Order: sequence, then C-alpha cells, then structure tokens
Amino acid sequence: SQTIHQWPATLVQPVGSPLSLECTVEGTSNPNLYWYRQAAGRGLQLLFYSVGIGQISSEVPQNLSASRPQDRQFILSSKKLLLSDSGFYLCAWSVSGMTPTIYFGEGSWLTVV
Amino acid sequence: QKEVEQNSGPLSVPEGAIASLNCTYSDRGSQSFFWYRQYSGKSPELIMFIYSNGDKEDGRFTAQLNKASQYVSLLIRDSQPSDSATYLCAVYYYNQGGKLIFGQGTELSVKP
Repeated sequence: SQTIHQWPATLVQPVGSPLSLECTVEGTSNPNLYWYRQAAGRGLQLLFYSVGIGQISSEVPQNLSASRPQDRQFILSSKKLLLSDSGFYLCAWSVSGMTPTIYFGEGSWLTVV
Repeated sequence: QKEVEQNSGPLSVPEGAIASLNCTYSDRGSQSFFWYRQYSGKSPELIMFIYSNGDKEDGRFTAQLNKASQYVSLLIRDSQPSDSATYLCAVYYYNQGGKLIFGQGTELSVKP
C-alpha cells in the first residue's frame, strides 16, 4: 500500500532563517505531488504541484520554492523565512493520470518567530 | 467569486441528528468533487468523492451533486460527537492544469 512521510513534524524558526521540509511517497511510482499550506483557522492553499521529476508548478509567488530531485521526493524550501510563513504545511500525492484523489501526509507545523 | 465556497460555521447539531454541509463552486467544467474531514491539528482525511449528478452513499455519509446549480453537499446521518471536525470541500479544476482547489471548510460541532 502507498504511504507518505513528511518531516519534520514541528519546527520553530527565526525570521530570516532558511527552511527545508521533505516529503517522500512509498508504494507508487510517478505520483503527482503537492505542497499545501494552511494558516491558522484558514483553508488549504495550494503552493506547488509536480507531475514529474524536475517539473514544478508554482501557484503563489512568494519566498518559497519547491524541488523534486527524485520521483517520490518533494522538498519545500525557503532561503529567508517571514513571519507570514507560519502555518501548517501539508505534502500530498495522487496517482498520475487517474482519478485526482489526493492523500495527505501528517503535516509540518512551522512557527516563525 | 471564490473558486470553492463553504460556510465557515460553526455548525452545531445535536447527537443523532443529520448534519448538512454545503459547497458551491465556480467552474462549470469541474467533474470531480471531494469531501475531506480534518480534526484539529491533524491533516485532512478523505471521506468520499462524487463525479455524477445525484446522491452517493457511504455508510452514514451521503454526498449530493447538482452540476447545473454548481452545488455539492455532504449529509452526515446519526451524527456523533466524534464527527466534530472541520469538513473541507474540494473541486478538481481540469481547466487549470488539473488542480484540487479547497474551500475554507465548515466547522461542525456535534453536541452530546
């Protein structure tokens, strides 16, 4: 069966520091991968999605970036965090070319102080 | 107009009652609709999806879709306190490169 792992689960970072969140999917190949963010009390905002290695689509222009160095690995990064980057970050996957049901990882809580 | 709209709630129902959650969307070309449940501090989990007009039942949950009115709903029968959570409606937008767009979510509280 397919599983998705995301880490770290929680982190507290100072303003201006870098960020790296990592996500891996097991049990499937060539998945579509997604990064969502959920600010406190808000809905899910799609940040990036990827249909293949090196193929990244950005939804929101900001100081975040994403990379997909391997088929089942998705990384969210920032060079300098802002206070507004605080939130709940969710990695998700779906089967490529099939019904677009997506499944979420456990999420990463980021607090920028 | 927002792409996917939900009433934020909170919606409060007594235990054993039917909870009705509603969602509207703006893209007439959308074909796939999803309901997720999110407990506080946790990631969303899929409840069910619906593609065709009409009703789709899964246990205590029934999804209803009306494409002409661009409206999708979720009914929860015999509501339990454990159903208290935020319910997220999601719509698949084919005309935007294939993206799942979420509504803001409706908070449901089931009172014992």
